[in-house]
Amino acid sequence: EAQVTQNPRYLITVTGKKLTVTCSQNMNHEYMSWYRQDPGLGLRQIYYSMNVEVTDKGDVPEGYKVSRKEKRNFPLILESPSPNQTSLYFCASSPRDKLAYTFGSGTRLTVV
Amino acid sequence: KQEVTQIPAALSVPEGENLVLNCSFTDSAIYNLQWFRQDPGKGLTSLLLIQSSQREQTSGRLNASLDKSSGRSTLYIAASQPGDSATYLCAVTRGAQKLVFGQGTRLTINP
Repeated sequence: EAQVTQNPRYLITVTGKKLTVTCSQNMNHEYMSWYRQDPGLGLRQIYYSMNVEVTDKGDVPEGYKVSRKEKRNFPLILESPSPNQTSLYFCASSPRDKLAYTFGSGTRLTVV
Repeated sequence: KQEVTQIPAALSVPEGENLVLNCSFTDSAIYNLQWFRQDPGKGLTSLLLIQSSQREQTSGRLNASLDKSSGRSTLYIAASQPGDSATYLCAVTRGAQKLVFGQGTRLTINP
């Protein structure tokens, strides 16, 4: 089944403890992105990648890192999480030639 | 800066009605427009994708139209069912790298 898989689905952590949210797609898509969704603010892009080793900042990149060492994987790294990063996170991917995005099921992160 | 607006923010209708959800965007230079459905606490499911050169797309009871010149799209749902209750989001793509989302319309279909 063609899909974008995120792990974990739920995560509660403490301020300052480094964490990684994984994202993997099995559709050989070139483009991958991370979004966060917050009440009243909607979905905002954090980082995106247009191919292996090509990444760039979205609208709200502060406090996040990403890497794209393999085409299928695009992990989101929070080096020192803070409570304002409590949110619902989505990974998405798209083929380069169509720009039709498929989203993962989301990761609900709580930082206390 | 591209801005996407969805009206109404919430809509409640009885089962069986046909309904229209609206989406407007400020910059007509878009690559495509995508409609998504989101159930509470869940991920986004793509419903329809309209390329900028197209005027509409249909899938089952859903029909989406696009008028780039006026910066508008509509999602038409025929013969609504309780299972259609969800939040519907529209998003436009300008370059390859980003979807710009509206705030969504929360739809409730009453049995």
